[in-house]
Amino acid sequence: EEQLLQSGGGLVQPGGSLRLSCAASGFPFSSYTLTWVRQAPGKGLEWVSSITGSGTNTYSTDSVKGRFTLSRDNANDIVYLHMNTLRVEDTAVYYCARPYYVGVDVFGLWGQGTVVTVSS
Amino acid sequence: ETVMTQSPATLSVSPGERATLSCRASESVRNNLAWYQQKPGQAPRLLIYGASKRATDIPVRFSGSGSGTEFTLTISSLQSEDFAVYYCQQYNNWPPVITFGQGTRLDI
Repeated sequence: EEQLLQSGGGLVQPGGSLRLSCAASGFPFSSYTLTWVRQAPGKGLEWVSSITGSGTNTYSTDSVKGRFTLSRDNANDIVYLHMNTLRVEDTAVYYCARPYYVGVDVFGLWGQGTVVTVSS
Repeated sequence: ETVMTQSPATLSVSPGERATLSCRASESVRNNLAWYQQKPGQAPRLLIYGASKRATDIPVRFSGSGSGTEFTLTISSLQSEDFAVYYCQQYNNWPPVITFGQGTRLDI
């Protein structure tokens, strides 16, 4: 069964750091770009960052550039979202997501979500 | 950035009726448009991609249409499990700058 299992998250003070993990199973991990999407409380979906299958290229929305970085471990099928200099407005449920098929930025497989709360 | 605007914000429909949800792009996204369903406490679920292609296991009562800047999601006969929030998403840019609409809540 194809699956994305997320871990990490929690409560952090403004300016702090967190690392989210997304462990994959059931599909050829290195073939897929992996993406993080977030959802602030009561709000809609927002694309955060994507990392290509090889890990060579990453792309991010402007509001997190310079603060969030992506990495992946293709030997162990895990992708990481490293979040630094966190702001109150980063508070959200964070989802990792995989394309419906290779090469398309449409998300057919999602993790269960992990809550990040930035508050003093 | 391509801005996606969905209307209406909330749609109240009775079971068995037809629902029509709209999504407009601020510039042409060709047919690079997807629709998702999200229920409370759950991750989104892909319904439609390529503007009109149903994803695996999506019931035929869900259909998508449109191209360029105007798109529609139609649910032909609403079932109780269809009451949720629906989002459109464009994926026309490279490098990827993915944007979602703000959502339409489908209420009983």
